[in-house]
Amino acid sequence: GENVEQHPSTLSVQEGDSAVIKCTYSDSASNYFPWYKQELGKGPQLIIDIRSNVGEKKDQRIAVTLNKTAKHFSLHITETQPEDSAVYFCAASRPPDDYKLSFGAGTTVTVRA
Amino acid sequence: GAGVSQSPSNKVTEKGKDVELRCDPISGHTALYWYRQSLGQGLEFLIYFQGNSAPDKSGLPSDRFSAERTGGSVSTLTIQRTQQEDSAVYLCASSLSGAINYGYTFGSGTRLTVV
Repeated sequence: GENVEQHPSTLSVQEGDSAVIKCTYSDSASNYFPWYKQELGKGPQLIIDIRSNVGEKKDQRIAVTLNKTAKHFSLHITETQPEDSAVYFCAASRPPDDYKLSFGAGTTVTVRA
Repeated sequence: GAGVSQSPSNKVTEKGKDVELRCDPISGHTALYWYRQSLGQGLEFLIYFQGNSAPDKSGLPSDRFSAERTGGSVSTLTIQRTQQEDSAVYLCASSLSGAINYGYTFGSGTRLTVV
């Protein structure tokens, strides 16, 4: 099955700086790559996703890049704010079972004021 | 309701007991998923329901785990003869259909502790 590795496991950044989280996947057939944010005591929330026919996608301060050749994708958060502190998960899925997500182990991001 | 509702939010049980976890999906969502989140690990797929189709049970870790979805809405995850390694947060999610285009909406989870 698909194996998704995520780095780093923890990340501390100064408010206003950028944060980058990287994930690699093993199955070249994977074609959907979402990112979820989980705040304490809550379920994960989808923040951005990218499909294999796109190399980059942006939504305000958040961007995701995908390198299909290298089988890795990254989340970039610019101008970090205290409310960005959370656990972030990357995931991947492949057809025909694209409803079934394989998740990375998560990155705990702390934004220092 | 406005979101995916799970109950109970916390459950402490003795080893060997059976437990039932409940998930109430967003109204109109035909797809429902259960995932398990163990401490310090990512989410692990357990089971998927889509409409009246046969569920995908490929992620259930053992025959002690079962799930059902009644009337295409509420789902119950049952763990029989609980073991300490079953301790985790069990997350339920729903989506408008089984196509991943729609993304998941997760509930807040049930934290299960087996003592």
